Amino acid sequence: DTAVSQTPKYLVTQMGNDKSIKCEQNLGHDTMYWYKQDSKKFLKIMFSYNNKELIINETVPNRFSPKSPDKAHLNLHINSLELGDSAVYFCASSQDLIKKQYFGPGTRLTVT
Amino acid sequence: QQQVKQSPQSLIVQKGGISIINCAYENTAFDYFPWYQQFPGKGPALLIAIRPDVSEKKEGRFTISFNKSAKQFSLHIMDSQPGDSATYFCAASSPSNDYKLSFGAGTTVTVRA
Repeated sequence: DTAVSQTPKYLVTQMGNDKSIKCEQNLGHDTMYWYKQDSKKFLKIMFSYNNKELIINETVPNRFSPKSPDKAHLNLHINSLELGDSAVYFCASSQDLIKKQYFGPGTRLTVT
Repeated sequence: QQQVKQSPQSLIVQKGGISIINCAYENTAFDYFPWYQQFPGKGPALLIAIRPDVSEKKEGRFTISFNKSAKQFSLHIMDSQPGDSATYFCAASSPSNDYKLSFGAGTTVTVRA
């Protein structure tokens, strides 16, 4: 009965590959997010979706593309992976933009 | 550019002591100030949050103090326990940018038994 789940938990891949991270929430929330946490633990928002509509799109390379097939899912697809993409990626959800955010367990992406 | 500056980067406190983490901001449009707690290998979890119409909020052993004129807020962990050992992040958001959370750099707290 995990509230926000992500798959996979670990992802090791080579430079230039394309990979996806999946996120699902079973809280009935309308808003979902992707965050990147770098090696120094700095957390930065990448995207947010509200009712499947893109609300926040930070200055993220366009190799990163979020996809929201429905309100319960927000996937992150990354093209042409680079070494600097190595980080932990967190999905989060909230009832709406101003409510408490619930974070998933994270996906540790390592690009070699 | 970091919109929320957090200090210290790390701190060590004895069991039963008080941990104090400070944050400062410049954007006066911020109107929501949460603190998140993150254990190793886990996602951040909301600990406590405050809005600028109050100067203090307490939940159990955790207290936020807010100084609107100084644009500073702090987290106090009273009677610190080894289970409190984690990384703590302050954050801030405003309605003018869709309540996007701007996080501080984090403080790693270690509570020694």
